[in-house]
Amino acid sequence: DVKVTQSSRYLVKRTGEKVFLECVQDMDHENMFWYRQDPGLGLRLIYFSYDVKMKEKGDIPEGYSVSREKKERFSLILESASTNQTSMYLCASGSTDTQYFGPGTRLTVL
Amino acid sequence: TQLLEQSPQFLSIQEGENLTVYCNSSSVFSSLQWYRQEPGEGPVLLVTVVTGGEVKKLKRLTFQFGDARKDSSLHITAAQPGDTGLYLCAGAPWAGNMLTFGGGTRLMVKP
Repeated sequence: DVKVTQSSRYLVKRTGEKVFLECVQDMDHENMFWYRQDPGLGLRLIYFSYDVKMKEKGDIPEGYSVSREKKERFSLILESASTNQTSMYLCASGSTDTQYFGPGTRLTVL
Repeated sequence: TQLLEQSPQFLSIQEGENLTVYCNSSSVFSSLQWYRQEPGEGPVLLVTVVTGGEVKKLKRLTFQFGDARKDSSLHITAAQPGDTGLYLCAGAPWAGNMLTFGGGTRLMVKP
């Protein structure tokens, strides 16, 4: 079975803090993705990576950065968390048109 | 932007009933996926359809891809409380392109 794990299920941070969300996949996929999911807005792509050290902006990259130092690991970084970044964050890996998701991290920024 | 519209947005039914949810677009997709997401969890891939007119069955779930590859439907027979969740469709306009997600249908099956 495909396994995508995320470092935290729930996270509470304060405005201005630097936040790291980590994602690990065990399927040797080249592509990895970060989405956020908000009620009424669906899933929106933040960033994706198609290889180690390679990244591409998605639809809503502002306020986020990513790091892919190893093939199996893709990190999402919030340089200075803001309240409007409170959301469910979902990591996925796979091909661009078939993706396998992790369990999600529900981030609350106070 | 490729838009996928799902209907209905919400559906509440009794155990044992049948239901169909829809995923529609004005654009052609090379493939379309259906996911189910339970509260507090990530979406789980149910099926991928790639050929116009294709029908796939997964136990009580039947998925169909429209002949023109612009729409899809998911039919559940004899729904059970375990079917409760958010059903998402997602499509790629061509192979290798990014997925576009629909807004989802939130299904509740009452015992």
